[in-house]
Amino acid sequence: DGGITQSPKYLFRKEGQNVTLSCEQNLNHDAMYWYRQDPGQGLRLIYYSQIVNDFQKGDIAEGYSVSREKKESFPLTVTSAQKNPTAFYLCASNLGLGNSPLHFGNGTRLTVT
Amino acid sequence: DAKTTQPPSMDCAEGRAANLPCNHSTISGNEYVYWYRQIHSQGPQYIIHGLKNNETNEMASLIITEDRKSSTLILPHATLRDTAVYYCIVDNYGGSQGNLIFGKGTKLSVKP
Repeated sequence: DGGITQSPKYLFRKEGQNVTLSCEQNLNHDAMYWYRQDPGQGLRLIYYSQIVNDFQKGDIAEGYSVSREKKESFPLTVTSAQKNPTAFYLCASNLGLGNSPLHFGNGTRLTVT
Repeated sequence: DAKTTQPPSMDCAEGRAANLPCNHSTISGNEYVYWYRQIHSQGPQYIIHGLKNNETNEMASLIITEDRKSSTLILPHATLRDTAVYYCIVDNYGGSQGNLIFGKGTKLSVKP
């Protein structure tokens, strides 16, 4: 079955360490996105990519970095510069055209202590 | 600013229809109405979307008023597994610009 895979589901890190969250899709989608969700809140866009080797900052990109070397993969690195990294991170993809709905992974819950 | 207004919570009896309202009085002519839902600790799931006409798929029906200022998502026979937060979103890119605004949604509780 086609879909988006995020791994791991739970991740624990010490403060000051960088950590990379994986996102892979086999839907042949051109566009991929990273969102952050805090308890009781909606989703906030971190980064998005509409094509391989290109990406744009979203609303809250500070302290994060991404790469898009392959169409299927869009890893997110949470750097030590991110002041409040503990959150639920969601990856999504779509065709990147018109009114194409988003398909989401099941998220990675990152806890930094 | 959120473009939609939804009640924070609703209850529905199992087996009955769940009707979730959404107000989007400032919707523009080229904006679609999308519905997603999020079950606890999972990623949001796309349900349905529409522009002007009513839409139906295997999951739900979407009724959009003639003036397009409001809509209703209908789950015809709610089950316990439909308990989730439901998000109503208006957007003219379908997320192609990544800027879908997910507000706080409506928490639907389906009760036995």
